[in-house]
Amino acid sequence: GAVVSQHPSRVICKSGTSVKIECRSLDFQATTMFWYRQFPKQSLMLMATSNEGSKATYEQGVEKDKFLINHASLTLSTLTVTSAHPEDSSFYICSASRATEAFFGQGTRLTVV
Amino acid sequence: EDQVTQSPEALRLQEGESSSLNCSYTVSGLRGLFWYRQDPGKGPEFLFTLYSAGEEKEKERLKATLTKKESFLHITAPKPEDSATYLCAVLGPQAGTALIFGKGTTLSVSS
Repeated sequence: GAVVSQHPSRVICKSGTSVKIECRSLDFQATTMFWYRQFPKQSLMLMATSNEGSKATYEQGVEKDKFLINHASLTLSTLTVTSAHPEDSSFYICSASRATEAFFGQGTRLTVV
Repeated sequence: EDQVTQSPEALRLQEGESSSLNCSYTVSGLRGLFWYRQDPGKGPEFLFTLYSAGEEKEKERLKATLTKKESFLHITAPKPEDSATYLCAVLGPQAGTALIFGKGTTLSVSS
């Protein structure tokens, strides 16, 4: 399968700071990438759809000013959690689509202290 | 509304005890049904894509089947390393949309 690399895998930050998570498709170009959030023992919750060269589409209830998404190239999308608070602590996962298939990154465990 | 329901939520098996996981879906214009494996603290790992009713795919001890209403993931003679959460997802008709996930089945295989 295709490879999607997500970095970092773990990050701890102080409350009020911002954290950037990168998602790269290593061996294919992805016009569309998706960002998910996963709570313990829950399934993946779609946060936003990221399209190369255009603004991201956010799901209802997701604050676009808190979760900034940039899809500057066909192989890179970034999610920046701004002014992070402890309630933003979670597991964030990106995926990149190739035709009808979706491949996932390794996930980022964010802990805000 | 498009929906994906997986059952059971959790399944405990003895090594070598075969079983099946179920994924029921309601979606208009299905473009694909996907099975993923997820280990704790990791992102989902792609297993299979099924596109049309009657299609079957196999990989080692896993076999996925698809009907117009549901998909099964059959696990034959499982081993402890098959323990994981198995996620089912569907892709609707509109291009550029995200997968719709079920809540997953957590499989535990003991030796």
